[in-house]
Amino acid sequence: GENVEQHPSTLSVQEGDSAVIKCTYSDSASNYFPWYKQELGKRPQLIIDIRSNVGEKKDQRIAVTLNKTAKHFSLHITETQPEDSAVYFCAAPTSGGSQGNLIFGKGTKLSVKP
Amino acid sequence: DTEVTQTPKHLVMGMTNKKSLKCEQHMGHRAMYWYKQKAKKPPELMFVYSYEKLSINESVPSRFSPECPNSSLLNLHLHALQPEDSALYLCASSQGRWANYGYTFGSGTRLTVV
Repeated sequence: GENVEQHPSTLSVQEGDSAVIKCTYSDSASNYFPWYKQELGKRPQLIIDIRSNVGEKKDQRIAVTLNKTAKHFSLHITETQPEDSAVYFCAAPTSGGSQGNLIFGKGTKLSVKP
Repeated sequence: DTEVTQTPKHLVMGMTNKKSLKCEQHMGHRAMYWYKQKAKKPPELMFVYSYEKLSINESVPSRFSPECPNSSLLNLHLHALQPEDSALYLCASSQGRWANYGYTFGSGTRLTVV
């Protein structure tokens, strides 16, 4: 089955700086990779996802890159703002391709200091 | 309606009590999930319902009993829980059975077992 590792576990940046969170996965057949943001006491919310037919996807200040050869994908947040402070989880399907359920990385607590 | 609604938001129960958690969505999603989330940990899958049928039970103790009365509702019946079962219980739904549809999470029920 799939195994997802996420780094770093905590990340502190100054407002306006960029933040990068990286995840590695084990199943080369996996082809769907979402990122969820969970603010304190709130629900996880899907912020961006990528499928393996593309190498990068952007949505305003957020981007995700995928390296299928190395089996890793990364979340990039530019021009960080205090409201970006949250725990971010990467995920991948538990079975090959996009099948199965989502297994989550252990999370990265991002703190953006004003 | 693009939300998953969970009730109650908070629940305190004794180890001999019987209680139920409720989850509702009106997005026409045909897969629904129960996840358990402990503090500072990622969500862990408990149950998956696909087209109102239980398709996955991740070796969850029998003191947790899921029920899917119809395509919009998902219940989790609790009986004889232990203090270590205290956690945030998240319901999620997705358009289809496979992971690449993305999940919409509810706000969760914060359960405390005393």
